[in-house]
Amino acid sequence: AQRVTQPEKLLSVFKGAPVELKCNYSYSGSPELFWYVQYSRQRLQLLLRHISRESIKGFTADLNKGETSFHLKKPFAQEEDSAMYYCALISSGSARQLTFGSGTQLTVLP
Amino acid sequence: KAGVTQTPRYLIKTRGQQVTLSCSPISGHRSVSWYQQTPGQGLQFLFEYFSETQRNKGNFPGRFSGRQFSNSRSEMNVSTLELGDSALYLCASSSSGTGNTEAFFGQGTRLTVV
Repeated sequence: AQRVTQPEKLLSVFKGAPVELKCNYSYSGSPELFWYVQYSRQRLQLLLRHISRESIKGFTADLNKGETSFHLKKPFAQEEDSAMYYCALISSGSARQLTFGSGTQLTVLP
Repeated sequence: KAGVTQTPRYLIKTRGQQVTLSCSPISGHRSVSWYQQTPGQGLQFLFEYFSETQRNKGNFPGRFSGRQFSNSRSEMNVSTLELGDSALYLCASSSSGTGNTEAFFGQGTRLTVV
């Protein structure tokens, strides 16, 4: 069975400090991994996906298959980054089932 | 283009009743998935429909059911409501439903069972 673990429920950093949100997964096949973000009073939205290898809003995430991790990083946090972040994976194949982690609430302090 | 629309936004029901939630996907999207979000369990997958067929189902009791219409709109039904069914129900649509396609979420329906 697939599983996504986000060990930190709450994370606070100061503005300008680096931030890393941890995500570990377990899946027997080749997963596709995502980070979703939910800003206050907004809908859940995709932040980035591992296959795109892109940087969105300064965030990057690298898939480490050896450590089964997909940590989200940003070198300099901004106050507007404060939000709930969910790591998610989707199984390969025809069915679309996103498995989410429990989420990390990031607060960037001024 | 319009985003994913869920109606109603809020619902209050009593135990034992049944409820139907609606989701209108983004135009052209054929895949609709449903999720339950609670503080204790987080986001949990309910089921996914593609071209009117349920393709995948999560680990929820049979009281939770759904369907999809030919215009891709989807409904979710919960029968014999229990207090523990109180949650935010989210639906998400995507274009193909396979591979690395982005899922677009609605704002959710907040169901309270009293």
